[in-house]
Amino acid sequence: DGGITQSPKYLFRKEGQNVTLSCEQNLNHDAMYWYRQDPGQGLRLIYYSQIVNDFQKGDIAEGYSVSREKKESFPLTVTSAQKNPTAFYLCASNRGLNTEAFFGQGTRLTVV
Amino acid sequence: DAKTTQPPSMDCAEGRAANLPCNHSTISGNEYVYWYRQIHSQGPQYIIHGLKNNETNEMASLIITEDRKSSTLILPHATLRDTAVYYCIVRVGNAGGTSYGKLTFGQGTILTVHP
Repeated sequence: DGGITQSPKYLFRKEGQNVTLSCEQNLNHDAMYWYRQDPGQGLRLIYYSQIVNDFQKGDIAEGYSVSREKKESFPLTVTSAQKNPTAFYLCASNRGLNTEAFFGQGTRLTVV
Repeated sequence: DAKTTQPPSMDCAEGRAANLPCNHSTISGNEYVYWYRQIHSQGPQYIIHGLKNNETNEMASLIITEDRKSSTLILPHATLRDTAVYYCIVRVGNAGGTSYGKLTFGQGTILTVHP
């Protein structure tokens, strides 16, 4: 089945460690996005990529990094510089102009 | 992207129509109106989108006012499974010469459907 897959669903890390969240899509979409969601809040855009080997900062990029070496994959690294990394992380992709975005089921990251 | 304003919460009786409003008074000519919903702890689900004409699909109807400053999402026969947070988003059609406008989410409306 076509879709967008995030793994793992739950992730625990110690404070000060970098951690990488996986996002893979087999929808042949050009654009991919990473969002962060805190309890009771809406989604905030971290990074987005419109094409392979290119990406732009969203509204809250500090403490995060991404890469887009393949069309299918857009991993997000939460670095130790991110002051409050515990959150629900959502990845999305879409085909292009004025098309709907498809979301993964999210990764809940807890840093202890 | 234009900012949207939605009521924080709404209630609806099961089987009745749920009408969710959204104000987007600063929308510009090339921005589309999108609606998504998010059930607790899941990824958002696309519902519908439109530019200026009313739209209908198997999930919902979207009514956009003539001046495009507001819209209403209509769930014609709400069920308990429609309880979710509903997000109204306006999205630019072009961003810096490319075709992919970023999606910016607000706080959304918590819709509670009760028996």
